[in-house]
This record gives sequence, C-alpha cells and structure tokens, in this order.
Amino acid sequence: QQPVQSPQAVILREGEDAVINCSSSKALYSVHWYRQKHGEAPVFLMILLKGGEQKGHEKISASFNEKKQQSSLYLTASQLSYSGTYFCGTEGDDYKLSFGAGTTVTVRA
Amino acid sequence: DADVTQTPRNRITKTGKRIMLECSQTKGHDRMYWYRQDPGLGLRLIYYSFDVKDINKGEISDGYSVSRQAQAKFSLSLESAIPNQTALYFCATSDLASTSYNEQFFGPGTRLTVL
Repeated sequence: QQPVQSPQAVILREGEDAVINCSSSKALYSVHWYRQKHGEAPVFLMILLKGGEQKGHEKISASFNEKKQQSSLYLTASQLSYSGTYFCGTEGDDYKLSFGAGTTVTVRA
Repeated sequence: DADVTQTPRNRITKTGKRIMLECSQTKGHDRMYWYRQDPGLGLRLIYYSFDVKDINKGEISDGYSVSRQAQAKFSLSLESAIPNQTALYFCATSDLASTSYNEQFFGPGTRLTVL
C-alpha cells in the first residue's frame, strides 16, 4: 500500500524552509527519500531505519516516528538546486519499497 | 563509472505488439527492480529480483513479465501492449551487502508510448 505524502506541492523562495510529510499504514523497517529532477531519474537522498540509524544528505535532514509510521523531510534554507519532486519510499520487512505520489518543490530566486 | 543503463530510451509501439525493455548494470548489485511512473501516482513496483534465480511480482505485474538473464541483466516484457501501459519505466538496483541500507540506484528511464 502506497504511503501518503503531503503537501502535493510547495513553492519557496531561496532561503525559506519547508517540511514534507510521509505517512504509512503498515509497520516499517525503514523510510527512504529520493529526489527527481525534471526529465531525470530519482536519486537517493536519505534513509532512516527503525531504531534511529540514518544515512543521508549533508544538507537535508529527516525524522522517523516509528510508532506513528511517519517520516518528515526538512528542507532548511532552501537553494535553487532543491527544486524537484521528492518521493518517500517505505520499506517493510520484505525489502520492497512502496513510493508515495510525490511532492513537487519549486524554489524561486 | 558503475552504472545502470536502459534500452531503448524511447519507444513508440502499437496496441497488441510485444516489446521488451532491457536493463543492464555494472554495479555488481544482486537486486534489480522494474517500476513504472505515471503522473500523480509516483513509482509503482512491477517486478523485482533478489538474485538470478529469484523473481517476484510487485504491485502491478498484470500484463508484464520479466527475465533475469544474468546478475547484470533484467528485462521487462509487455506481451501484448495496451494504451494504458503508456508510462515512464525505470529499472533500479540495490545491494545490501555493499551498501548495507538497500538504497536504490535508478537507470535513466524508458519512455514508452502505446498507440
């Protein structure tokens, strides 16, 4: 079952902050975050594992609430390069990813 | 550089035709996946393979089949293409042994149009 992402879209000015949320109805082993630029393939940003371990992007942070099966991605002091569509991918104990519908982020100068 | 490649990059075909999309990787990863992407729906898993002898259905496997010819090659076939299979198709790889986190690496995508 696909996780639910919100918001669907957000427009920012450079330097502003935004939060993207991802919610799942199933028990999760990990949450992945990917970013896709227009016309390109999705690129891995971060992974957050059950138990608190995470690996990720040096300038983008995220959180994972295991009890609520929710994750949030924090875009802080946004840059033009942050524009794109962000997808969360939720992983159960079967190692398959289910992706959300995506959040389109537009950062303007 | 180790990479994931897909051929063809674009394909236009007619309803009822059989077509094959190919994926090759030089990353040495064991796990390979096929996704389709439709506007507003994100990425949906079609099939996945955790090694050469392992093939599994994903969320939307009806109308598709796959073949894992070697560790490095994973092909997706549409036996009789229909217009609602028009989409962007991505191949991806991952490998717990080398990365420890099952992060996925995507190919450049194949844009398929079924008329």
